[in-house]
Amino acid sequence: KQEVTQIPAALSVPEGENLVLNCSFTDSAIYNLQWFRQDPGKGLTSLLLIQSSQREQTSGRLNASLDKSSGRSTLYIAASQPGDSATYLCAVRQEARLRDNFNKFYFGSGTKLNVKP
Amino acid sequence: NAGVTQTPKFRVLKTGQSMTLLCAQDMNHEYMYWYRQDPGMGLRLIHYSVGEGTTAKGEVPDGYNVSRLKKQNFLLGLESAAPSQTSVYFCASSYGTSGRIAETQYFGPGTRLLVL
Repeated sequence: KQEVTQIPAALSVPEGENLVLNCSFTDSAIYNLQWFRQDPGKGLTSLLLIQSSQREQTSGRLNASLDKSSGRSTLYIAASQPGDSATYLCAVRQEARLRDNFNKFYFGSGTKLNVKP
Repeated sequence: NAGVTQTPKFRVLKTGQSMTLLCAQDMNHEYMYWYRQDPGMGLRLIHYSVGEGTTAKGEVPDGYNVSRLKKQNFLLGLESAAPSQTSVYFCASSYGTSGRIAETQYFGPGTRLLVL
């Protein structure tokens, strides 16, 4: 069974710092990987989606990379701001196997980021 | 455009009681999903639907039932609630399952359920 791990569980940085969040997965047979943001008491917002054939995706100050063979993804946040404070989750979509033709999702437990003014 | 809405926002149940969580989306999405989120465990898929009238089991389906009678609604039922079902429940929807735009999931705000 796929296992998705995010380290660290929590991170506190001063405003303006560049930072990297890590996500690792045990089964490299993935269809894609997504990074989400979750604000307290709210649902998830999709930030970036990387297909298994891609190496990275960029959106504004965010850059996500994918190394499928080593089972790793990173989310790079440039020039962090207090408004970036949230929990960041990664999720992998597993390739369908045998008769199960639906690509299942597996989520990490998230990294809680606090950007101090 | 309300996106994905969930009702109720919060509910307290006694063990053995039943309830239904309602998810509605106004984006004409084909795919809908129910997840539960527990501390330190991330989100886990309970059930999903790839279209009106179809449902399928996810990773943790036991103790739950679902129905998709209308394309815009996806209902999650607990027939006999147990304390282990205390969690935050999220509904999500997407256009489909192929391509970056089609696969982007839109999440509702969640329902907090406490089973005593």
